[in-house]
Amino acid sequence: QSALTQPPSASGTPGQRVTISCSGSSSNIESNYVYWYQQLPGTAPKFLIFRNDQRPSGVPDRFSGSKSGTSASLAISGLRSEDEADYYCASWDDILSGPVFGGGTKLTVL
Amino acid sequence: QVQLQESGPGLVKPSQTLSLTCTVSGVSIRTGGYSWSWIRQHPGKGLEWIGYIFYSGSTSYNPSLQSRVTISVDTSKNQFSLRLNFVTAADTAVYYCARGLKRNAYFDFWGQGTLVTVSS
Repeated sequence: QSALTQPPSASGTPGQRVTISCSGSSSNIESNYVYWYQQLPGTAPKFLIFRNDQRPSGVPDRFSGSKSGTSASLAISGLRSEDEADYYCASWDDILSGPVFGGGTKLTVL
Repeated sequence: QVQLQESGPGLVKPSQTLSLTCTVSGVSIRTGGYSWSWIRQHPGKGLEWIGYIFYSGSTSYNPSLQSRVTISVDTSKNQFSLRLNFVTAADTAVYYCARGLKRNAYFDFWGQGTLVTVSS
């Protein structure tokens, strides 16, 4: 059971906008930054969004993050076939005193 | 360009010790402010933080694994290592090393990962 809850799957067609939710609690998302990672098949996770809504250099502005209370979301606009991947949210947890991850959402581009 | 590379046995027998090393290149482990983590991913599952270390040797571990885990650092070789004792089949996973920040879920550079299978 992951500390953060994500839908197991999401899908969209090329060009569409999709959102992936991440639900947590007062000990993690509500009081700490949220991060998002993209994991393409057979590869290591890639740093995608940091501090709730910031993009590292090289990440397209089609990817955006937001946070409100104990929840966060990742939005991908102008969906492309290469966006097909697993997406993980993460946050520091004050009770665990360590980072926690969501269970991951598998995004399919139809 | 920061790079991390895991190395170690891909097969470990039950009840034995899993040992992995992460070699860091492109940046010194002594660079202040960064933590050096081990994270694992069970087959077809999500990510689980194992623990991290700073170049000073200060560590923090996931409470669920704390009794079996030791993370150490060798700054002269720019490496850090993981030891997980008394492994079972439940420890079969891809193990990643990653660079992060203190008290954060920030991991900006990852190794490619190494699959460790626990089996007799």
